Amino acid sequence: GAGVSQSPRYKVAKRGQDVALRCDPISGHVSLFWYQQALGQGPEFLTYFQNEAQLDKSGLPSDRFFAERPEGSVSTLKIQRTQQEDSAVYLCASSLSGTGHSGNTIYFGEGSWLTVV
Amino acid sequence: AQKVTQAQTEISVVEKEDVTLDCVYETRDTTYYLFWYKQPPSGELVFLIRRNSFDEQNEISGRYSWNFQKSTSSFNFTITASQVVDSAVYFCALSEATGANNLFFGTGTRLTVIP
Repeated sequence: GAGVSQSPRYKVAKRGQDVALRCDPISGHVSLFWYQQALGQGPEFLTYFQNEAQLDKSGLPSDRFFAERPEGSVSTLKIQRTQQEDSAVYLCASSLSGTGHSGNTIYFGEGSWLTVV
Repeated sequence: AQKVTQAQTEISVVEKEDVTLDCVYETRDTTYYLFWYKQPPSGELVFLIRRNSFDEQNEISGRYSWNFQKSTSSFNFTITASQVVDSAVYFCALSEATGANNLFFGTGTRLTVIP
């Protein structure tokens, strides 16, 4: 389809396991964002890419979280040594413009639901 | 500091009733953007509206309408003649024009429309 695509949709990981979450943004979209949404909460910003450049990673909760977008399209969010508090929905979003959130329409994927047991 | 408050955690209405979802925001920027998103059970955040801080005109789109009042820092969302398909979690969000790329979300309001 033409929307933001994320995989896997559901992931159960054992504590300590590494996970990788993939995001395919809308074709041609310059900006890509990752958000974390805990149960019953609003999404919280993790990191932002403009093309392949990671311009803001201030929301990443620890150095176990790493994101990349090497060719400026597909992005991967990696979580190392997962812990129970990492259980959440991880939402990817993209927008056409390269100026971040300021006024641009942000389109979200359906999210990757991560459960750490 | 930026903050978005959605005081209503859950609302239930009977089908065809009107319902208003409240959103109050805080920002020090003079230029900012406000958004509403709908999150159905599938999890995807569906964009509904974007409004910049210089445009206080209310907007109507079908059964949806938005009331932006800078004087009270509110950006409320009304659904007229609610339908069961409107059942979802609705998020209000704020983006500032300067500096940060963050979109700040409220905690959401879960709307249940009872047939």
